[in-house]
Amino acid sequence: EIVLTQSPATLSLSPGERATLSCRASQSVSSYLAWYQQKPGQAPRLLIYDASNRATGIPARFSGSGSGTDFTLTISSLEPEDFAVYYCQERSNWWTFGQGTKVEIK
Amino acid sequence: EVQLLESGGNLVQPGGSLRLSCAASGFTFSNYGMNWVRQGPGKGLEWVSAISAGGARTYYADSVKGQFTISRDNSKNTLYLEMNSLRAEDTAIYYCAKERGFKGGFDYWGQGTLVTVSS
Repeated sequence: EIVLTQSPATLSLSPGERATLSCRASQSVSSYLAWYQQKPGQAPRLLIYDASNRATGIPARFSGSGSGTDFTLTISSLEPEDFAVYYCQERSNWWTFGQGTKVEIK
Repeated sequence: EVQLLESGGNLVQPGGSLRLSCAASGFTFSNYGMNWVRQGPGKGLEWVSAISAGGARTYYADSVKGQFTISRDNSKNTLYLEMNSLRAEDTAIYYCAKERGFKGGFDYWGQGTLVTVSS
């Protein structure tokens, strides 16, 4: 069973700053990694699939990179609406989510 | 417009059963794998179960294997989750989610339905 570890647990930043979120897999997941954003009271929203492809309608300030076991979600310049919880997800035999990173306003 | 609308969530006693439904529209339902994902109070996302586009293959998280059953009716564009022997730890919002494609994540989610297991 693959385990996804996200870091940090909480990221405190100001609007306009760059956010860098990490997701590490316990074994290689190739490029089969997705990222989601979830705001309070809402369902998750797909941001990135296959490690680096933006989903439909996702702004260019969101980017994903990595392969194998180490992945990064970067938000180039935080907008007020970007403060949320972010999850990574992989599929090996079945789907697994990381525990989440909360991006909060500093 | 793709829409996923869950229903069936409720307050149920420990040991009870519940069936969740997810009505899909706006896409060719029979072409896509579908999933259930849950989120306990104040917790992260937990994948629960998946079913292939045609319904022949099903997958379950270890935490619900033998307890939950996923199914679909492609003629009715509806996904189901039959939940038995419910425990307090099954309390969560249950989301249905559409697969984008092969290993491509979940591109559409429902709004969720709340299941509360309590006496």
